[in-house]
Amino acid sequence: EPEVTQTPSHQVTQMGQEVILRCVPISNHLYFYWYRQILGQKVEFLVSFYNNEISEKSEIFDDQFSVERPDGSNFTLKIRSTKLEDSAMYFCASSEEGAGGELFFGEGSRLTVL
Amino acid sequence: SQQGEEDPQALSIQEGENATMNCSYKTSINNLQWYRQNSGRGLVHLILIRSNEREKHSGRLRVTLDTSKKSSSLLITASRAADTASYFCATGVWTNAGKSTFGDGTTLTVKP
Repeated sequence: EPEVTQTPSHQVTQMGQEVILRCVPISNHLYFYWYRQILGQKVEFLVSFYNNEISEKSEIFDDQFSVERPDGSNFTLKIRSTKLEDSAMYFCASSEEGAGGELFFGEGSRLTVL
Repeated sequence: SQQGEEDPQALSIQEGENATMNCSYKTSINNLQWYRQNSGRGLVHLILIRSNEREKHSGRLRVTLDTSKKSSSLLITASRAADTASYFCATGVWTNAGKSTFGDGTTLTVKP
């Protein structure tokens, strides 16, 4: 069964460093998302991406964050200068139909900022 | 906000019992989805119910949707220890690009 894959599974970084989290969505999906989950808290929407541009972003997704689809398969989330409060599990998801359709999630990338 | 709120926050039952979790939301939606998350793992889609549907079944899962009350319930029948996980509802609206808004989740513990 097709799945969304994410790398790395765990990254530890120093505050102020740049981090890139990578995702390979399901190949025929057209809508891509990043969500995050701080330990013990709810899953929060960060950004949606369609047709090579950001469709929607939350207030969490400030200027320190960016997303890119550099080729036909990868979808990346970059945090330019990490803060302690960026420590969380970051989930990539993709969807075939968008607009609140079924989301297929990856296993997540755990980011720890020291 | 169309935020979903689940209750109870935590539920502990014996294997074989039924588990019911509820979700309430604030604004009109086009669909509502339930996801499961095992500790430290990703989210697994369980079931999607559209706003024009009232009930949906999938195996041991039964989901209801009452748009007049802006609420949904997830029933897991004949629970198993392997059902132990957190369960989240997520609401979707067509006017958005596909953002689903998640609730706080219910942590279910099924004791063998």
